[in-house]
Amino acid sequence: KNEVEQSPQNLTAQEGEFITINCSYSVGISALHWLQQHPGGGIVSLFMLSSGKKKHGRLIATINIQEKHSSLHITASHPRDSAVYICAGLYGGATNKLIFGTGTLLAVQP
Amino acid sequence: SQTIHQWPATLVQPVGSPLSLECTVEGTSNPNLYWYRQAAGRGLQLLFYSVGIGQISSEVPQNLSASRPQDRQFILSSKKLLLSDSGFYLCASWTGYGYTFGSGTRLTVV
Repeated sequence: KNEVEQSPQNLTAQEGEFITINCSYSVGISALHWLQQHPGGGIVSLFMLSSGKKKHGRLIATINIQEKHSSLHITASHPRDSAVYICAGLYGGATNKLIFGTGTLLAVQP
Repeated sequence: SQTIHQWPATLVQPVGSPLSLECTVEGTSNPNLYWYRQAAGRGLQLLFYSVGIGQISSEVPQNLSASRPQDRQFILSSKKLLLSDSGFYLCASWTGYGYTFGSGTRLTVV
């Protein structure tokens, strides 16, 4: 069964804190997407990675292929980072479909 | 760069009424196109995907259908909506460089 599991489901942080969101995935998934969804808004792709580490501004995503685990880190968190963060596994083959986690609701308080 | 236009953003429809959600893609040709749905408390789940004009594959049995009349147009339809069709519907495209997402449609069936 293709699965993506995310933790935690909810996360509250104080402004400036370092934040980590975790994602575990099953066999058959070749790459991981990290997505951001603001309340009432659409979904924005933050990263797609199949190995190593990627960085964009204060966001860092890492993936460990052997352990089938990925993390999204936010350094120096800010209230504008408050959103739902979703990891999604790319299941290749004929479909290239995404298997989505249930999301992490992040609230950064000033 | 790719852009997906998806409309409407929100929709309230009575049970038994028809549905038509449209998605158009700009900035690429011959993409894979997808309709995903998020029911309350769950992750996004693939409903339909298309690898070309007129080619539609369904992932789960349901009350909905999809069509791709043009290369960059993807339509989700229903003849008679059910209460269980309520949710967040997301159109997406894949070209091998990654996924691009529409802004989503929040459908409430009353």
